[in-house]
Amino acid sequence: ELKVEQNPLFLSMQEGKNYTIYCNYSTTSDRLYWYRQDPGKSLESLFVLLSNGAVKQEGRLMASLDTKARLSTLHITAAVHDLSATYFCAVDPMDSSYKLIFGSGTRLLVRP
Amino acid sequence: GAVVSQHPSRVICKSGTSVKIECRSLDFQATTMFWYRQFPKQSLMLMATSNEGSKATYEQGVEKDKFLINHASLTLSTLTVTSAHPEDSSFYICSARVLGGIYYEQYFGPGTRLTVT
Repeated sequence: ELKVEQNPLFLSMQEGKNYTIYCNYSTTSDRLYWYRQDPGKSLESLFVLLSNGAVKQEGRLMASLDTKARLSTLHITAAVHDLSATYFCAVDPMDSSYKLIFGSGTRLLVRP
Repeated sequence: GAVVSQHPSRVICKSGTSVKIECRSLDFQATTMFWYRQFPKQSLMLMATSNEGSKATYEQGVEKDKFLINHASLTLSTLTVTSAHPEDSSFYICSARVLGGIYYEQYFGPGTRLTVT
């Protein structure tokens, strides 16, 4: 059974700093998704990573995928308060279920 | 991108009553939709996979008779919480699976907050 682990679960960082959120998964997959969730809201798609070595960037966020290590990272550069949210990674188990398996989420708080 | 709507966005009901939540794909057809529930400060828990024209596939531990799912058309799936109890209070989110080129992506609805009193 595919398991997805994110760390840290909670991250408090100062504006202007850099940090990385990690997403490890337990079985083979080369499809990984990152989502953002604001309090009381649903999920917003950030990145879709489809192959080993894939790297996507949008503003201050950059996501990468290493399928051999079964690891994805979400790197935050020069954080700003607007990035405060909960970030989820989700992995496609590449079976016929079409499901996504979600990590536990990382709650990010960017302090002034 | 593809838009998924949910109705209602919030509902308060009394214990013992039933509540229906609708999930619609607005500008595309979705043969597969998913229903999740989310407790405060927790991740999404997949409840069931809803397939148009066939029975839903429920995840282990989810009561089929309590959470009735109907995917009657290519743009509408409904989740009915029957005989609701306070422990059913949660944030329910649906998603629709869309083929975007060479991969499938899930687009999420805005969620429905259910409070059972």
